[in-house]
Amino acid sequence: GAVVSQHPSRVICKSGTSVKIECRSLDFQATTMFWYRQFPKQSLMLMATSNEGSKATYEQGVEKDKFLINHASLTLSTLTVTSAHPEDSSFYICSARGRALVIQYFGAGTRLSVL
Amino acid sequence: GDSVTQMEGPVTLSEEAFLTINCTYTATGYPSLFWYVQYPGEGLQLLLKATKADDKGSNKGFEATYRKETTSFHLEKGSVQVSDSAVYFCALSDLLMDSSYKLIFGSGTRLLVRP
Repeated sequence: GAVVSQHPSRVICKSGTSVKIECRSLDFQATTMFWYRQFPKQSLMLMATSNEGSKATYEQGVEKDKFLINHASLTLSTLTVTSAHPEDSSFYICSARGRALVIQYFGAGTRLSVL
Repeated sequence: GDSVTQMEGPVTLSEEAFLTINCTYTATGYPSLFWYVQYPGEGLQLLLKATKADDKGSNKGFEATYRKETTSFHLEKGSVQVSDSAVYFCALSDLLMDSSYKLIFGSGTRLLVRP
């Protein structure tokens, strides 16, 4: 199956700093990428959908200025958590879909801990 | 709107027992249905899928049949192993509602298989 690489797998940062998470499709062109947040023992919450070359579409309640998403190429999307605070600590997961694919392929996730 | 309902866990079974995890859905159009599995600390992996009524998805001994009449997509396995211990998510994608193939997830069901 298609491979999606997410980096870093774990990051610890101080409150007030910004953190960037990368999501790469390794063997297909990802026309659409999705960013999810998962709280402990809960389901995935979709944060935003991004299409290559256009602005991301954010779900209701997700702060656009806090969670900056860039999808500059067909193989890379980034999520930047700006001015992170302890309540932003969570497991963030990306997924990607190619133009002709119904299936979303998921990255391994990034655990963010804000001290 | 579209939604997915899964049976609550955790489900605890002995090795070689029969597994059923119930999943029902509500959708406006003709959704594709998926089961994803999440192992501890990892992202999601596609387990199986079905794109139209009466389709049966199968993989690694797991099966699920798309039942339009009961709006269900129950996951089954005849003989579970300890290595099947994970969280299982039922999901749908409704192209009629969203052209980005956004996934709508159920709440997840934790499976624990004991030796």
